[in-house]
Amino acid sequence: GDSVTQMEGPVTLSEEAFLTINCTYTATGYPSLFWYVQYPGEGLQLLLKATKADDKGSNKGFEATYRKETTSFHLEKGSVQVSDSAVYFCALSRGGSARQLTFGSGTQLTVLP
Amino acid sequence: SQTIHQWPATLVQPVGSPLSLECTVEGTSNPNLYWYRQAAGRGLQLLFYSVGIGQISSEVPQNLSASRPQDRQFILSSKKLLLSDSGFYLCAWAGGQAQPQHFGDGTRLSIL
Repeated sequence: GDSVTQMEGPVTLSEEAFLTINCTYTATGYPSLFWYVQYPGEGLQLLLKATKADDKGSNKGFEATYRKETTSFHLEKGSVQVSDSAVYFCALSRGGSARQLTFGSGTQLTVLP
Repeated sequence: SQTIHQWPATLVQPVGSPLSLECTVEGTSNPNLYWYRQAAGRGLQLLFYSVGIGQISSEVPQNLSASRPQDRQFILSSKKLLLSDSGFYLCAWAGGQAQPQHFGDGTRLSIL
C-alpha cells in the first residue's frame, strides 16, 4: 500500500538557518504530494502541493520539488524564522473518488532566536 | 470562499459517556468529508470518510461511528467512550480531483 516516510525529528535550528525536511514516498501511479503545517494547538494548514513530476510547490519561502525518479518531496527553506516552529507533515493522495491522504509521521521543527 | 467549522474546541468527558462532535463546511457542495484522530505527539490516523450523504467508510474498527445527515455536515459519535479515545480530532473536506484536503481547527478530547 501507499506510504510516506519523513525525516525523524525533532529538528532544532537557529534563526536564519537553512531547513531541509526529507520526505520519500511509496505509491503506485502518479500521486499528488502535499506538505501540511500544524502550529501548536491548531489544525493542519496546507503549506504547498505538487501534482505531477518535476512540479515545484512553493509558499511562504518554503519549496518542495516532486522528484519521481527518487520518489521524494523534500521541504526546504533558505532562512527559517522563529514563527516557523511547528510540526510539518508530508502527505500523498492517489486521487480517486475518496481522495484519501496518506500522511507521514510528522517532523517537529523548533527555531531558536 | 469555503470554511470548515468544528465544535467544540475542547471537551472533557468521563469514561463510558457518549460523544458527539460536529463538523460543517460552508461555501462548497458535495465535498468529501473526513475524520482523523491525532494522538499526542503522533501522526494522523484516518477514522472515517464520506463521499456523499449517508455514505460512510470506516478505516479503523473501534467504538466510534460517523454519520453524514446533510451534504455539508459530518458527525463523529460514540455510545461509550474509552480512555484510549483521548486525542485531537480533526475534520477535513476536499473538493475536486487532485485538490488538497482542508482541515478544521480540531477538537481536543480528554477522557477521565
